[in-house]
Amino acid sequence: NAGVTQTPKFQVLKTGQSMTLQCAQDMNHEYMSWYRQDPGMGLRLIHYSVGAGITDQGEVPNGYNVSRSTTEDFPLRLLSAAPSQTSVYFCASSSHQLYEQYFGPGTRLTVT
Amino acid sequence: SQQGEEDPQALSIQEGENATMNCGYKTSINNLQWYRQNSGRGLVHLILIRSNEREKHSGRLRVTLDTSKKSSSLLITASRAADTASYFCATDRDDKIIFGKGTRLHILP
Repeated sequence: NAGVTQTPKFQVLKTGQSMTLQCAQDMNHEYMSWYRQDPGMGLRLIHYSVGAGITDQGEVPNGYNVSRSTTEDFPLRLLSAAPSQTSVYFCASSSHQLYEQYFGPGTRLTVT
Repeated sequence: SQQGEEDPQALSIQEGENATMNCGYKTSINNLQWYRQNSGRGLVHLILIRSNEREKHSGRLRVTLDTSKKSSSLLITASRAADTASYFCATDRDDKIIFGKGTRLHILP
């Protein structure tokens, strides 16, 4: 099993550009989530999904969109990148939101 | 807002000593989890303790939970250089898993 995979590993964007961070898992997990990690701020929840077709907002959803058309994939879209979105983004999955979360390796995003 | 808050923010100890870090949370929980993050990597799950449990062990790790005080502690015994990492507690709130800001642990040779 590959577990949770994220692409790309690194990305540089200019302000106003859009892009999609990819996340996929091969463990048939229902629950998937996106976090951002900034120095001194820990991990903050952006969006999450409890199953295909169901998504909801986390603590810091503004500027981000998600969709969940399949169990395996949970892409995160930045509609118009801003410097404040410079961060490391982690995707996670689990069989249930109350159980062990499996994390991907992260995407380091810089917005100039 | 953060649900769990770790204390201390940073901790340096000599190899072989025990390391203790704490997590306080605000609202009632179903369970509490601890994760480790090595520099530049994703988080790795260490241990989960349910709200009706008071103590749990896994190898050199011991976790306690005091629901009356809304706090948990993670004890790492006989620390090793490889334990150098950041440690996060995570608690559930509604359908969400919320992480604290973490404790940075540095093991000195």
